[in-house]
Amino acid sequence: SQKIEQNSEALNIQEGKTATLTCNYTNYSPAYLQWYRQDPGRGPVFLLLIRENEKEKRKERLKVTFDTTLKQSLFHITASQPADSATYLCALDNYGQNFVFGPGTRLSVLP
Amino acid sequence: NAGVTQTPKFQVLKTGQSMTLQCAQDMNHEYMSWYRQDPGMGLRLIHYSVGAGITDQGEVPNGYNVSRSTTEDFPLRLLSAAPSQTSVYFCASLRVGDNTEAFFGQGTRLTVV
Repeated sequence: SQKIEQNSEALNIQEGKTATLTCNYTNYSPAYLQWYRQDPGRGPVFLLLIRENEKEKRKERLKVTFDTTLKQSLFHITASQPADSATYLCALDNYGQNFVFGPGTRLSVLP
Repeated sequence: NAGVTQTPKFQVLKTGQSMTLQCAQDMNHEYMSWYRQDPGMGLRLIHYSVGAGITDQGEVPNGYNVSRSTTEDFPLRLLSAAPSQTSVYFCASLRVGDNTEAFFGQGTRLTVV
């Protein structure tokens, strides 16, 4: 059965550093991989999408890479700020079919 | 646009009681889904619908029913609540296509005692 893993349940980094979160998957061939942010008591909010034929996507301080051979995506937040503290979820998608989420990584950016 | 509206925000049930979680979206999306979120387990798909009149089971469907009589509404029914159904429930509406994106409701925190 398909499985999605995110590198760790929690990650602590110092303000100003780059946070790197990992999403690994097995038994799935997604057309897209997405990253969402979830704050306590709220629903997830879409951040970025990367297609299977794309290697890298950027949006402001966010960068996502996608390696379909390794079945892995890396999510980077550069110049991290305490306001970036949240849980980050990766999600795999095949045009809306079998849309599944990873367990999430709780990021804490320490001032 | 209100997006995805989910009610109630909090609910306490006794074992064996039934209830319906409401979900409505005003984005005219065909695809809607229900997830439950438990600590350390992420979002698990309960049921989903690809359009009015069409529903299907997700990863953890047991103990839940859904229906989709209109594009806008996708209620989730708990038939006979059990403590194992204590969780946070999220409804999502998907814009499917070249840039699929999920829009979530605010969540329902359900406690079954």
